[in-house]
Amino acid sequence: SQQGEEDPQALSIQEGENATMNCSYKTSINNLQWYRQNSGRGLVHLILIRSNEREKHSGRLRVTLDTSKKSSSLLITASRAADTASYFCATDLTGGYNKLIFGAGTRLAVHP
Amino acid sequence: KAGVTQTPRYLIKTRGQQVTLSCSPISGHRSVSWYQQTPGQGLQFLFEYFSETQRNKGNFPGRFSGRQFSNSRSEMNVSTLELGDSALYLCASSLFQGVNSPLHFGNGTRLTVT
Repeated sequence: SQQGEEDPQALSIQEGENATMNCSYKTSINNLQWYRQNSGRGLVHLILIRSNEREKHSGRLRVTLDTSKKSSSLLITASRAADTASYFCATDLTGGYNKLIFGAGTRLAVHP
Repeated sequence: KAGVTQTPRYLIKTRGQQVTLSCSPISGHRSVSWYQQTPGQGLQFLFEYFSETQRNKGNFPGRFSGRQFSNSRSEMNVSTLELGDSALYLCASSLFQGVNSPLHFGNGTRLTVT
């Protein structure tokens, strides 16, 4: 069963706009990670936020984590057509040792 | 540094056959994990190996098995294939086995069972 639920399932925006994706999970975690997947290819790690962190930045990416609400959000600023992909959150359960539980993903389409 | 390499890229098998998929992790990475991705079930954890030992296993039947060699390369095997085994099988490696270690994925093997 999937731990994470992502919202929205699909998002369509214009280049230059910001994209926000949300993830909710059910149990306590060590960390939460975000991955990107281009169609039919492997996943690319974007950012990892530990359970004791609240916000993390990496380039145009900003991730927040609210452990009290068991939720996280990924913000991509100034989106580009190349950002078109599926985005997944994944939780590393306490003591999970690389057993990540993935959400269903958000399909992002960025139109030129 | 070369990424995670999975072979073959595509595979077509008949129901009842068995299949072996191969994964070469990033040099120096000792942990290898396998995931199955399907449209219906999404990404699901299969198993994880570290230093040739299976440390974690997901909720898959015994038809799914794997192993890791001394050079950290890993193989997974699926016996008595079923139509529902059609999926993208992804291998991932990480430098450490433990928390806070991001996974590096290969491009996967697309298995089609007819």
